[in-house]
This record gives sequence, C-alpha cells and structure tokens, in this order.
Amino acid sequence: AQSVAQPEDQVNVAEGNPLTVKCTYSVSGNPYLFWYVQYPNRGLQFLLKYITGDNLVKGSYGFEAEFNKSQTSFHLKKPSALVSDSALYFCAVRRYSSASKIIFGSGTRLSIRP
Amino acid sequence: DVKVTQSSRYLVKRTGEKVFLECVQDMDHENMFWYRQDPGLGLRLIYFSYDVKMKEKGDIPEGYSVSREKKERFSLILESASTNQTSMYLCASSFRRQGAFEAFFGQGTRLTVV
Repeated sequence: AQSVAQPEDQVNVAEGNPLTVKCTYSVSGNPYLFWYVQYPNRGLQFLLKYITGDNLVKGSYGFEAEFNKSQTSFHLKKPSALVSDSALYFCAVRRYSSASKIIFGSGTRLSIRP
Repeated sequence: DVKVTQSSRYLVKRTGEKVFLECVQDMDHENMFWYRQDPGLGLRLIYFSYDVKMKEKGDIPEGYSVSREKKERFSLILESASTNQTSMYLCASSFRRQGAFEAFFGQGTRLTVV
C-alpha cells in the first residue's frame, strides 16, 4: 500500500530564511514523488516532481526537493522564503506504473512572517 | 495550458438527495481522479479511472460511485447524500505515459449537505 506522511501541520519561517517542509513516503517499487501548493480558495498547483536521476529536483517559484531513497524522504526546500510562499503544501506519491493512483499527505501549512 | 473544469464551485444539497459532480478535462488525459479534502486529513482518494469505463476504488469509496463514459468526463455520484459528505471535492487528471504522471486539478466543488 502507498502512503505519505507530512509530520508537521504547520511550519513558521521568517522572510529571507531558508525553509524545509518534510515528507516521507511508503510505496512498493520505485516511486514517483510530487509536491503541490494550494492557495486559499484555489485548486492544487503542481510544483515539482521526482521521476528518476538526479536526487535534487528544481521546480516552480524557486522551490526544490531532495529525494533520499534510504530515508524514503522527499523534503521540499527553498533557500530564501517569501511572504507570498505562505500556503498549504502537499506531498504525493504514486507507483512506477501507468495506471497507479496518486496518494497525498495530510498537508503542511507554511507561514512566512515579514 | 491544461484545463480541468468542475461544473460547480458551490453546491448545497439536502440529506438523501442523489448528487452529481461533473468534471471535464481538455488535455486527452487517460487518468482521472476524485478526491475529497477535509481539514487535517489532506486529500483522500475516492475513485480513479485509468481509461473509459474503467475505475478503481480509492481509500474512501463508501457512499460514492463514478461514471466515465467518455475520455474527457468523469462524474462523481453521491447515491444518497449525508451530512458527513459535506466537504471540498477535487477532480484531477493526468497522462499515463511515464515521465508525465503529474496530476492537474480543477478548482474544486464545495459541497454542503443539510
């Protein structure tokens, strides 16, 4: 069975500081991993994905994520946070299969203070 | 740009009513998904479909059914609406080909059952 854990309900960071939003996963076989962001009253927007290859992937809005197979983690990072990054972030996983479902974590609310 | 359109942003229905939520995508995606989003629980998969007339249960299918008669349209049906089905419902779609598995989401339908 697939599962995703986001251990922090909320992360608070000062503007200009680096941020990390944590995600661990469980899936049989090789995973596809994703990060999405949700702004108030909006649908989810795709940020970035890991398929294979380089463990550090870059995505939209200056975000990046690091895949660590041994720790089954896929943490989202940004070197310098902006107030506009404040939103709800979701990690997701699917199996390496064309007809596989996508499973999401419970979400982490990121709050950036000026 | 990928467009996933959900027929209603807000719906109010009475307990016991049969409710239809419609979703249409314009990118020729093979996979389509229905999730519900509740605070603290993240996104939970109700059903997904990997081809026309094909469907698989997600993690919380009880009380729901789906229909996919055409590739671009995926309908979620609440057979007899109950108050515990009050939630935000999100539709998504994706390709089946490797490397393009990320899902694209509609704006969501906020359903209130009274």
